[in-house]
Amino acid sequence: DTAVSQTPKYLVTQMGNDKSIKCEQNLGHDTMYWYKQDSKKFLKIMFSYNNKELIINETVPNRFSPKSPDKAHLNLHINSLELGDSAVYFCASSQEAGISGYTFGSGTRLTVV
Amino acid sequence: GESVGLHLPTLSVQEGDNSIINCAYSNSASDYFIWYKQESGKGPQFIIDIRSNMDKRQGQRVTVLLNKTVKHLSLQIAATQPGDSAVYFCAETYGQNFVFGPGTRLSVLP
Repeated sequence: DTAVSQTPKYLVTQMGNDKSIKCEQNLGHDTMYWYKQDSKKFLKIMFSYNNKELIINETVPNRFSPKSPDKAHLNLHINSLELGDSAVYFCASSQEAGISGYTFGSGTRLTVV
Repeated sequence: GESVGLHLPTLSVQEGDNSIINCAYSNSASDYFIWYKQESGKGPQFIIDIRSNMDKRQGQRVTVLLNKTVKHLSLQIAATQPGDSAVYFCAETYGQNFVFGPGTRLSVLP
């Protein structure tokens, strides 16, 4: 029973393509997140979302957009992929934003060639 | 020993020794802190947390110390084992989100 699951685990694509990463949590958590981890292991928040509010990190290019069909899912769409988008993307969820810890998915390694 | 530079800071310890991983945080208003462990190919995993009204919290083989005066957090791992080899992150609350520190790689030597 995977608590936070992401698909795909690996994604290799060409520059300019549009791709999506899916995330699902079965914990009943209210808030979900997307983080980007670069080659130096630095974790940077991209989005946080609950059923009331989407908070976007202003440094995230608008080519990135989260889509939440329901409370258990938060997908990440990326348009016009660039080489610099290559990273590991982690989905996470928490019971209460900023109060309880996160449960992370296992990550999606995106490679743009 | 510990090395800091352009690469991820690395702490190398002998198996069986105690490990201390340090973290400086930036937000004096943070009231909740968490240590995460990230093994290769996996997502970060919760280890232990501490709230700002405490200065010490103990778990199984792990202890977190919080010094709010100097905005410093440390993770102590007793009797370090090969399975402790991973990257460790501290995280502090910032508004409704957590901000992660740069991470420290713990390497356990046989």
